[in-house]
Amino acid sequence: KAGVTQTPRYLIKTRGQQVTLSCSPISGHRSVSWYQQTPGQGLQFLFEYFSETQRNKGNFPGRFSGRQFSNSRSEMNVSTLELGDSALYLCASSPGRLAGALQETQYFGPGTRLLVL
Amino acid sequence: QQQVKQSPQSLIVQKGGISIINCAYENTAFDYFPWYQQFPGKGPALLIAIRPDVSEKKEGRFTISFNKSAKQFSLHIMDSQPGDSATYFCAASTRRSGAGSYQLTFGKGTKLSVIP
Repeated sequence: KAGVTQTPRYLIKTRGQQVTLSCSPISGHRSVSWYQQTPGQGLQFLFEYFSETQRNKGNFPGRFSGRQFSNSRSEMNVSTLELGDSALYLCASSPGRLAGALQETQYFGPGTRLLVL
Repeated sequence: QQQVKQSPQSLIVQKGGISIINCAYENTAFDYFPWYQQFPGKGPALLIAIRPDVSEKKEGRFTISFNKSAKQFSLHIMDSQPGDSATYFCAASTRRSGAGSYQLTFGKGTKLSVIP
């Protein structure tokens, strides 16, 4: 099976702009989670989508949003970019079944590195 | 507050030695503890995971030891190799009540360098 893919891999934006990142989960996986990774804060949970619905949300401002499509692909959007949004944005997929031993195992993509100037 | 504290921040081990990374957590509702390995420019890759109903799990050279009463767990890498040089993250999750959703809370990471 192909792994989690994320596009684009690198992105440079300026303050005030908005950005959309894309994630394609492993085939058959219905849950997609997004994480932000920075040297200072480490890996922090942004939100999780399952069957096109946001099931869980981390402690990030409303400028960070996401959505999931019927084919489980997901996008996240950051509006009004700030310098502090520079980070590696990681997408992770999991089977998302409510029963089963490995339902919670999350498989990460390579990430999108965002630089805000 | 849901936190996972990881130590040490960095670790240098001789080839063939044992690398040990420790994590401690506070939230007793955590019920799944994975370890991830991350190489520069790559996303984290799942190494091994454990549930609190077992005290140890071994997969190849990687072993997780789990102490439920102390709320601590650790990763042991036996016969460490230069190819093991990477950043290792411990994590913990719990299912949100009724939601079926799992959110990983990560430690800050340990940069392991294995020298020949």
